[in-house]
Amino acid sequence: RKEVEQDPGPFNVPEGATVAFNCTYSNSASQSFFWYRQDCRKEPKLLMSVYSSGNEDGRFTAQLNRASQYISLLIRDSKLSDSATYLCVVTNQAGTALIFGKGTTLSVSS
Amino acid sequence: EPEVTQTPSHQVTQMGQEVILRCVPISNHLYFYWYRQILGQKVEFLVSFYNNEISEKSEIFDDQFSVERPDGSNFTLKIRSTKLEDSAMYFCASSSGLASLYEQYFGPGTRLTVT
Repeated sequence: RKEVEQDPGPFNVPEGATVAFNCTYSNSASQSFFWYRQDCRKEPKLLMSVYSSGNEDGRFTAQLNRASQYISLLIRDSKLSDSATYLCVVTNQAGTALIFGKGTTLSVSS
Repeated sequence: EPEVTQTPSHQVTQMGQEVILRCVPISNHLYFYWYRQILGQKVEFLVSFYNNEISEKSEIFDDQFSVERPDGSNFTLKIRSTKLEDSAMYFCASSSGLASLYEQYFGPGTRLTVT
């Protein structure tokens, strides 16, 4: 089983749409969870951390279910500028490294 | 805003040659990392470095790889004898604390092409 698995995508949506990404992770000892965003040929950038209680940052909502080892990201009212690859990321057991999923590509069109 | 910088942006080398990739982490950060991303693949952890020693390394980081913090500002990744499969984007990152608690800031990457 892969350490972090994501929806393969790509997701092609119109502006204003709501889109949801899912992710599962294999190591139950992972301590922390994140969504990163990566634009084409650029470095990953932190979008938001993910907490068990769920957390929201503007149009973005992230959720973590530790029992199911499942992470989600919801984007509401999609903008053209949201077009990117979204990476689901967990830390290793020691908390010393980030383990990345392969990413899901989102394309928002007008 | 402070940022991680990397040089060069693109390095082309011949198989079997040694390469050194350079990074300047954010100045007050204590933890340093290298990751790589083969074209079309996921970002993969290579090594983390704290207090002048390696704190964690992946299976990819074999004895062909080494890291060094030669002075107070630079953090380098050396590949002793490059192989074709080392062609990838190499990202340096730094954080002020453990990855589980503190955001890692990534540099823009060095694209390594081995011919």
